[in-house]
Amino acid sequence: ETGVTQTPRHLVMGMTNKKSLKCEQHLGHNAMYWYKQSAKKPLELMFVYNFKEQTENNSVPSRFSPECPNSSHLFLHLHTLQPEDSALYLCASSQVGGGGYTEAFFGQGTRLTVV
Amino acid sequence: DAKTTQPNSMESNEEEPVHLPCNHSTISGTDYIHWYRQLPSQGPEYVIHGLTSNVNNRMASLAIAEDRKSSTLILHRATLRDAAVYYCILKETSGSRLTFGEGTQLTVNP
Repeated sequence: ETGVTQTPRHLVMGMTNKKSLKCEQHLGHNAMYWYKQSAKKPLELMFVYNFKEQTENNSVPSRFSPECPNSSHLFLHLHTLQPEDSALYLCASSQVGGGGYTEAFFGQGTRLTVV
Repeated sequence: DAKTTQPNSMESNEEEPVHLPCNHSTISGTDYIHWYRQLPSQGPEYVIHGLTSNVNNRMASLAIAEDRKSSTLILHRATLRDAAVYYCILKETSGSRLTFGEGTQLTVNP
């Protein structure tokens, strides 16, 4: 248990479906992240949120739509995905600023399969 | 982001020490050296970090070269549960992002 919970753990969806991934952190952190990990590839940073504001979008296609309603919750809304979007989607949180250091804590990920 | 270079894979025997190297010749003065590891079917987890001095914690030790262009993660007694991909990452003091490379796949033999 890392303090970062992702649901669902597994998801199979068709290319015409709309689904959402959820991430919740119980660590009091002010920054949250979405990463994508495809087979045989390094983790790719998708989005960064600091204090609920999106501060980074690494050229992610618009079929991925993040939402951060508060500092504890992060969603990734999915629509009209492609089979190549099948991957492990990881959420992380950390505390940024304040002069101190905290490491990033990751959830266990959502294994997404697009059929 | 400054780049790190790690071997693709390493092997060790159980209960023996493991030294995982990382080269980061373009490191800047404000970059911390971080190590994370990813066990099978898990998200990455923090292992250790340092700036200039060697560091120890309950999981591992981090030895940093005097010129900071390389570092070594040391697992003092490898266990089967240490089999994972180990990532060496440079991160700016004030930055929030972690940029992952391919890491080193560590295999621990019984």
